[in-house]
Amino acid sequence: GDSVTQMEGPVTLSEEAFLTINCTYTATGYPSLFWYVQYPGEGLQLLLKATKADDKGSNKGFEATYRKETTSFHLEKGSVQVSDSAVYFCALSFGGYSTLTFGKGTMLLVSP
Amino acid sequence: DAGVIQSPRHEVTEMGQEVTLRCKPISGHDYLFWYRQTMMRGLELLIYFNNNVPIDDSGMPEDRFSAKMPNASFSTLKIQPSEPRDSAVYFCASSLTAGGSTDTQYFGPGTRLTVL
Repeated sequence: GDSVTQMEGPVTLSEEAFLTINCTYTATGYPSLFWYVQYPGEGLQLLLKATKADDKGSNKGFEATYRKETTSFHLEKGSVQVSDSAVYFCALSFGGYSTLTFGKGTMLLVSP
Repeated sequence: DAGVIQSPRHEVTEMGQEVTLRCKPISGHDYLFWYRQTMMRGLELLIYFNNNVPIDDSGMPEDRFSAKMPNASFSTLKIQPSEPRDSAVYFCASSLTAGGSTDTQYFGPGTRLTVL
């Protein structure tokens, strides 16, 4: 079945460091790909998405590019802030009646 | 819009008791999802509804769990009897579509359930 694999956390960075959180997927076909973020004590919220190969999703300084050849959707940010500390979830969906398949999440901790 | 509303935010109960979690989706959303989040298993989809009808309940762990959606603005997830291994954060989410490329799932703040 379809699956999403994320790097294990926590990822610990100092403020202004460069962030990469790896995400790869296994699926038959070409799904849409998503990153959701969960801040402490809150529900998940959509951060960015990409619907086809080579698309780049971006929001709040975060970016991810849909790489069909490597079945990846790595999340990057050039300069993280303390307020970015959260759990990040990679997910895929085929649309229509297909629901989201989530990875296990990667916790990011940013220190001042 | 107030977003997805869940109640209670925290629930502490004793093993064997009945627990009812409640959710009000965003108005106009046709899909409603119930998820469970634990450290060990991550985020699991339990069940989802389309236009108040359960579509897929294959994620419901066992018969002790049941979910209903009597109308477009309300859903419940019930656990009877509850067990300590049910302790988790339960999220409700709603969306215009099931998952798709043009839509977003909106999550509620979650209910943290502790079964002693």
